[in-house]
Amino acid sequence: GAVVSQHPSRVICKSGTSVKIECRSLDFQATTMFWYRQFPKQSLMLMATSNEGSKATYEQGVEKDKFLINHASLTLSTLTVTSAHPEDSSFYICSAMGRGETQYFGPGTRLLVL
Amino acid sequence: DQQVKQNSPSLSVQEGRISILNCDYTNSMFDYFLWYKKYPAEGPTFLISISSIKDKNEDGRFTVFLNKSAKHLSLHIVPSQPGDSAVYFCAASSGGGGNKLTFGTGTQLKVEL
Repeated sequence: GAVVSQHPSRVICKSGTSVKIECRSLDFQATTMFWYRQFPKQSLMLMATSNEGSKATYEQGVEKDKFLINHASLTLSTLTVTSAHPEDSSFYICSAMGRGETQYFGPGTRLLVL
Repeated sequence: DQQVKQNSPSLSVQEGRISILNCDYTNSMFDYFLWYKKYPAEGPTFLISISSIKDKNEDGRFTVFLNKSAKHLSLHIVPSQPGDSAVYFCAASSGGGGNKLTFGTGTQLKVEL
C-alpha cells in the first residue's frame, strides 16, 4: 500500500517551453500532496504544499506563477514548470499524505532544460 | 539556516555490523521525525518514524532513538546488509508528520562485504 507514481520519469525540453509533471496516489486518497526539488548532492527542498480543492501554499522564494500546482482530485496533483530555463533543471519529487502522518514519495522526475 | 543536520556525509560499515546514522535539529517545535532511504534518481522510501512523546521506536532491523534534550536522533540498522547501501535522510516536522518536512542533507551509507 501507499504507492505514489510520477509521470514522466524523465523529460528533456527546450528553454521557454512548459512542462507538466503528474503525481498520483495509486492506492489511497491524498488530502495533501507536497512538491520537492533536489539539486545534485543537496537535500530535498520543499517547494509547495497542495491541498485538494484549494490553492497551493508556496515556500518562500518559490515563484507561484512559474511553478503552477493543481490538486484537482484526491489522487492527482500536477506541477507545471512554465517557461522553463536551464536553471530549472532538477529532480522534482512529490509526496502524498493520506490519513496517517507519513508522507510517501513518488519516484521523482528528472527535468533537463536545454 | 539548516534546521536539520546530518554531519556525516558518508559512513562505511561491514556487513553484519551495526550502522548508526545521526541527525541533529535546532528547531524545538519539531515533534515528529522520520528516516527515509534514497537511491539515486529515485524518490525517498519511508523507513521509520518517531513521535516526540517517545524516545525509541523499533521496526525489524531498524531502530530510531530520540534524545529531545540534546535535539538528536539516530537510526540504528542491525545487522547491516549490502542492500542497505543508499543515502539516508532524516526529516522533521512540527504538528505531526502531515505538515511540511524539513530534510537533513543526507548520509551516504555503504555496507561492504
